[in-house]
Amino acid sequence: QKEVEQDPGPLSVPEGAIVSLNCTYSNSAFQYFMWYRQYSRKGPELLMYTYSSGNKEDGRFTAQVDKSSKYISLFIRDSQPSDSATYLCAMIKSGGSNYKLTFGKGTLLTVNP
Amino acid sequence: DGGITQSPKYLFRKEGQNVTLSCEQNLNHDAMYWYRQDPGQGLRLIYYSQIVNDFQKGDIAEGYSVSREKKESFPLTVTSAQKNPTAFYLCASVNGEAFFGQGTRLTVV
Repeated sequence: QKEVEQDPGPLSVPEGAIVSLNCTYSNSAFQYFMWYRQYSRKGPELLMYTYSSGNKEDGRFTAQVDKSSKYISLFIRDSQPSDSATYLCAMIKSGGSNYKLTFGKGTLLTVNP
Repeated sequence: DGGITQSPKYLFRKEGQNVTLSCEQNLNHDAMYWYRQDPGQGLRLIYYSQIVNDFQKGDIAEGYSVSREKKESFPLTVTSAQKNPTAFYLCASVNGEAFFGQGTRLTVV
């Protein structure tokens, strides 16, 4: 079993839809959680960073962490064609200064006008 | 502006050649990482460095080498021993959050 699982999609939604993207993980040592957006042929851009269970909201984006279920989500409200990209979840284990990142494989999202 | 700069954006390599990809950051982060991204494979860790003059192999280090002589710089050399080097290479620096450069696309010709 991989440490981080993410459905690769592809996911296609109409403009204005609510999008739900998810990752599960197997190791409870993961304590810091990030979501990245990556446009084609570009580097990943950090969207959200959380480290506690619960919700964190930033504009149209909400990151949700459920450590008891080892499950994280990213919700996009009022989705726009410009949101079409690959979304990657990433996690860091706690423990000293070891910042080793582990990524999901990414979900390809298309928002259709 | 603070950030991470990767160069060049595109790189072409002949069979049997070594090439070096540059990664520079001015974020004052201790930790830096190199990833390789292939279609359908996600990001795979090549090497990482937590501090100057120290680095560790990641999951796919064979055929690659790195150095970390300065905090700001973490160059990656793709050697002739790397059997399938054509890929998109991403550098990141980390201080809790991870920030990425814009990548180098390497093609073997």
